[in-house]
Order: sequence, then structure tokens, then C-alpha cells
Amino acid sequence: TQLLEQSPQFLSIQEGENLTVYCNSSSVFSSLQWYRQEPGEGPVLLVTVVTGGEVKKLKRLTFQFGDARKDSSLHITAAQPGDTGLYLCAVNTGGFKTIFGAGTRLFVKA
Amino acid sequence: DVKVTQSSRYLVKRTGEKVFLECVQDMDHENMFWYRQDPGLGLRLIYFSYDVKMKEKGDIPEGYSVSREKKERFSLILESASTNQTSMYLCASRKARNTEAFFGQGTRLTVV
Repeated sequence: TQLLEQSPQFLSIQEGENLTVYCNSSSVFSSLQWYRQEPGEGPVLLVTVVTGGEVKKLKRLTFQFGDARKDSSLHITAAQPGDTGLYLCAVNTGGFKTIFGAGTRLFVKA
Repeated sequence: DVKVTQSSRYLVKRTGEKVFLECVQDMDHENMFWYRQDPGLGLRLIYFSYDVKMKEKGDIPEGYSVSREKKERFSLILESASTNQTSMYLCASRKARNTEAFFGQGTRLTVV
């Protein structure tokens, strides 16, 4: 069983559509990170959420941390082909470890 | 511009070979990590190092070892490569706990 469960695993949508992907856990975290990984590259940090209920916006991307700090969502408005990639959530566990979810693979068709 | 550099983008090795994957960062970061990435499993932590000559096992250390003789370099060693170690290997570094991790471009290793 993974510490972080991401859903859906795969999403294929048309340009201009909205979408939401989720990152869930039964554990409480002090913070949670979202990364995007494009084909052939390593993951790149998008945002870190820290406070329960926090909402952060990055252009057309909206990130929310659950009130209980166990889950998070990423909403993309008017998706574009450039949003295509693997979206990963990650948390820092006790000590130095950073644990990742399996990711949501998004494909936006022009 | 921050940079994590992995020595090879693609590698093909034979079963039983000893394989070295090299990672160098130019950001004076304390912490460095090796992950492998497989479809449906995400990134799984193999080993990490929080300082020079210090190393800790991650979640899947079996069949791997690491070396951190200098702060900027973290090497992953496959003592005797096996086909189930065919994967994408990602190196990452970060300044301290709860800070952003920077990743290299990955090494796609195929063991035949």
C-alpha cells in the first residue's frame, strides 16, 4: 500500500477542458509538494502547501491542501497541450526522506 | 541556474555487470537521493545521503549501494546488475529538510 494514493492514474482530455487530480493519504503531513514531470525530464517543483485548507494558484493551476492535511487536489482550468505530463505529489516523512505518489499522467489533446 | 547532472541518459548493461550511475550537483546541497521510477509505482527511494560519507537506506535498497565521498557527487552502484533493475533512475538534491528537491534528467538503464 502506497503512503500517497493519486487519482486518476491516467487522464486524456481535450484542450480547453477543466480537470482535477487528487492526492490522498490516511496520514497527516506538515506540508505537501506537487511536481510536474515532462517526458524525458526529471520532476520539477510546482508548489508546496503547508497550512490546512490552504489554496495556492499558479496561473491556471489551483492547489488545495485538505483541512486535515491528509490530502490535496490540483485543479487545472482550460487545459493546454503544454500541461501534458506526469503530476506527482510528495511529502517529507520523519527524517530526511521524501516520498512520492505514483502520479497522474495527463495528456491534453490539441 | 541550479543543476543536477546525471552522467548518462541511456545505458545498456549485461546481467552480472557492475554498474555505476553518477550524479553531480552544483548547488552545495547537503541532501542527495537516488530514486527509481517504474510505471504505476511512481518514484521509489533507493538510498539517500544527508552529508558527505553519510548514507541511509531508502525503501528498496536491495541490490544497490551508494558512495558519497564529496559533497557534490552521489554515486549509485549496482553490484551485479539483474534484469529486474531495468528502470529509470533519478538523482535529486536539496539544501535541507522541507526544501525543494531538484532532479537530474534521469538515466534509463536497460539490463539484458
